[in-house]
Amino acid sequence: GQNIDQPTEMTATEGAIVQINCTYQTSGFNGLFWYQQHAGEAPTFLSYNVLDGLEEKGRFSSFLSRSKGYSYLLLKELQMKDSASYLCAARGGSGYALNFGKGTSLLVTP
Amino acid sequence: GAVVSQHPSRVICKSGTSVKIECRSLDFQATTMFWYRQFPKQSLMLMATSNEGSKATYEQGVEKDKFLINHASLTLSTLTVTSAHPEDSSFYICSARDQGRVGTQYFGPGTRLTVL
Repeated sequence: GQNIDQPTEMTATEGAIVQINCTYQTSGFNGLFWYQQHAGEAPTFLSYNVLDGLEEKGRFSSFLSRSKGYSYLLLKELQMKDSASYLCAARGGSGYALNFGKGTSLLVTP
Repeated sequence: GAVVSQHPSRVICKSGTSVKIECRSLDFQATTMFWYRQFPKQSLMLMATSNEGSKATYEQGVEKDKFLINHASLTLSTLTVTSAHPEDSSFYICSARDQGRVGTQYFGPGTRLTVL
């Protein structure tokens, strides 16, 4: 089966750090992706994890624990332009399709 | 990063007409492309997986005769919405799988379809 859960909304202050959590239940799991989506635009790729641990890429980091079915996206030094929806997606099964969560709408305030 | 284009970006059509949407991978070859639909404030819903040179695989509940998919080359997939109705109005997004980058999917900019 496929089930992705992430918070619906979060608010954080410019310059701060925010962590967006995601839990998944995915048959034949073989990868966890994070995408950023601004309103009315297509998602853009942020990060990919398949092994346990932390992947760091500039201001963004992503963590995965396969045994717990858990991932988080960490955004540091928040900027106003980081206000967007963040989509957690798990890949599993025999194909390459991604199963997306409903997205976390992040609002960055001054 | 990998680039995927989608055309048109917006289309308005009358009920009963057909609309074709193109998805192209510009700097890599994609044996697999995906078509998603997204309603306002909802997540991406996978409609079908498009495989180059073979028939598309449709998700449950998606009418294959209504949403025709053709993946004739390694860089182009098309989605045709046939006999469109107002309830088909949505944001349609394609993605292409880049085998060279751990199979990451890169998304096109999306097509906003409005059926009057």
